[in-house]
Amino acid sequence: GEDVEQSLFLSVREGDSSVINCTYTDSSSTYLYWYKQEPGAGLQLLTYIFSNMDMKQDQRLTVLLNKKDKHLSLRIADTQTGDSAIYFCAEDRGSTLGRLYFGRGTQLTVWP
Amino acid sequence: GAVVSQHPSRVICKSGTSVKIECRSLDFQATTMFWYRQFPKQSLMLMATSNEGSKATYEQGVEKDKFLINHASLTLSTLTVTSAHPEDSSFYICSVSFLAGGTNEQFFGPGTRLTVL
Repeated sequence: GEDVEQSLFLSVREGDSSVINCTYTDSSSTYLYWYKQEPGAGLQLLTYIFSNMDMKQDQRLTVLLNKKDKHLSLRIADTQTGDSAIYFCAEDRGSTLGRLYFGRGTQLTVWP
Repeated sequence: GAVVSQHPSRVICKSGTSVKIECRSLDFQATTMFWYRQFPKQSLMLMATSNEGSKATYEQGVEKDKFLINHASLTLSTLTVTSAHPEDSSFYICSVSFLAGGTNEQFFGPGTRLTVL
């Protein structure tokens, strides 16, 4: 099947904003998600957006959704070294049972 | 959020043997759990949905006789990789799902690294 696409790497300076992009596959997806994975740890839900929304803001995180282009982005303001991790976007493809389909993840490296 | 554990965290086995991986929901009763596998620098691939008290639902292309899933209680699901081969080497991750605020929120275990020699 089609893959959820993400760029693999992103490097930013501490204090700058980070923008991680994702192209998902299924327009019937109800929710789109962003997860964070730190080394040796499980995936942690960062935020999610309902498909009828264009934007969601949660403290330093801003999610933008372009449903027409099936494009999702995550902006992290004032990026800190502790934000260094792998970020995954995921779609539910309309599943009401919780099944998720993930991208390959973007490795974010924050330089001091 | 829910705490999910996996055991073992790392296992090395010989080709042809079977390996069992446990996923436990420590503070939440989970009727539904999910199993994923992750290859290096690849996405998490959903393998199957584990349903308490009934048969697992497998994603297309996943061999159900190869990857046996048992969800015998509300806090435990097991994945058994039968007759493992080197190509089964991967990172296996489970998750627990529950409905919260209109969406199914998932909590992930820390994963199990399987290496088949």
